Formats: sequence, structure tokens, C-alpha cells
Amino acid sequence: GQNIDQPTEMTATEGAIVQINCTYQTSGFNGLFWYQQHAGEAPTFLSYNVLDGLEEKGRFSSFLSRSKGYSYLLLKELQMKDSASYLCAAMDSNYQLIWGAGTKLIIKP
Amino acid sequence: SQTIHQWPATLVQPVGSPLSLECTVEGTSNPNLYWYRQAAGRGLQLLFYSVGIGQISSEVPQNLSASRPQDRQFILSSKKLLLSDSGFYLCAWNPGREYNEQFFGPGTRLTVL
Repeated sequence: GQNIDQPTEMTATEGAIVQINCTYQTSGFNGLFWYQQHAGEAPTFLSYNVLDGLEEKGRFSSFLSRSKGYSYLLLKELQMKDSASYLCAAMDSNYQLIWGAGTKLIIKP
Repeated sequence: SQTIHQWPATLVQPVGSPLSLECTVEGTSNPNLYWYRQAAGRGLQLLFYSVGIGQISSEVPQNLSASRPQDRQFILSSKKLLLSDSGFYLCAWNPGREYNEQFFGPGTRLTVL
């Protein structure tokens, strides 16, 4: 079957770095997405990886290893506004997104 | 620029009542459209998607239905709501190219009592 695994909750300190991991199993693979979702709001797009390696976008970076079925989202210089849920989603062979349950990130001052 | 609208923002309905949620997209043509449901603390569950007018694919058999009467309008309906239908309903679109990210509307929070 198709499955996405990511930690339920993580806690980090303002100004620090945090890495949120995601493992996936899908029928075919057409890329890995990360979204940010603040409480009560819609998800917003953060990153897309389809090739192995690291994609950097400001304070956020995303890594993909297709052979390991693994991705991570790296957040640097954490700010209080980064407190949110981070959703990992893999696109299968039918170009449908399979979503993880999300990782709730709590930032402490 | 493109925008996506959903209404209502919140809805409280009794069990057994009907439902109609509407989603419209502006600033694009022939988008792919999606309905998701998100239960509390859970991931997004794809309910329906549409690649064109009148074309609806159902991912999960249940008491919900969807229609696309116009190119940029997507409607989610039910004839009789169940308690388990409570959740956060999100409409999303993408331009139709397979690798593009999906853009989400503001969502409708539905509580069935």
C-alpha cells in the first residue's frame, strides 16, 4: 500500500535549527512536496523535490533520497512564526498526492 | 493572479441534513480541481478530483458527491450528513501540469451535531 510517515510533534528553540523527517512508500514516484499549515488555515506550498539532493530556499531547505524513500525539511534560524504543522506529500504514478498526517512544530523562546 | 474562494468558512449542521460547499477559482482556465477532508490531527484525505467540466473522479466511496458545472466551479454535496463528516474541507487547484504544486482555498470547517 501507499504510506507516508513523519513524526507527530517536535519542539525546538527560537534561533535554532530543526530537521523534520519523512519516509514514503508509493506506487510509482513523481516527486515529494512539503507544505506548511498554521492552525485553522489552509496548507501553503514550501518545496518540491523530484531529484536526489538538497534544494535550498532561504531559511528552508528540503532533501530527497529516492533510493531510500526519504526526505527531510530543514528549518534554520527558527522564528516563533514557524510554529505550525509541516505536511509531507508524495506524488504517485497517477500524479495524485499521498499525504502524511503532518508534524506539529512547537517553537519555544 | 489566480485566487481560489471557498464558502462558507464555517458551518454547523445537524445529522441527516444536506450539504453544499462551493469552490471557485479565478484567473486561470481548465484547472485541475480537488476536494480534500482533514480530520483533527490527521493528514489530508483526497475525496474527489476533476480534470474538466463534468469529469469527476471519486477516491473514497461515501455519502458525499461532487460536481463541476462550470470550468472554475467545484461543488461538494451530501444528501444526508453523518457525524463522521465533520472536518476541515479544503478545495485545491493546479494548472494541470502534473508536477505543479496544488494551491489551497481557505477551507470550510464543518461540524455535524
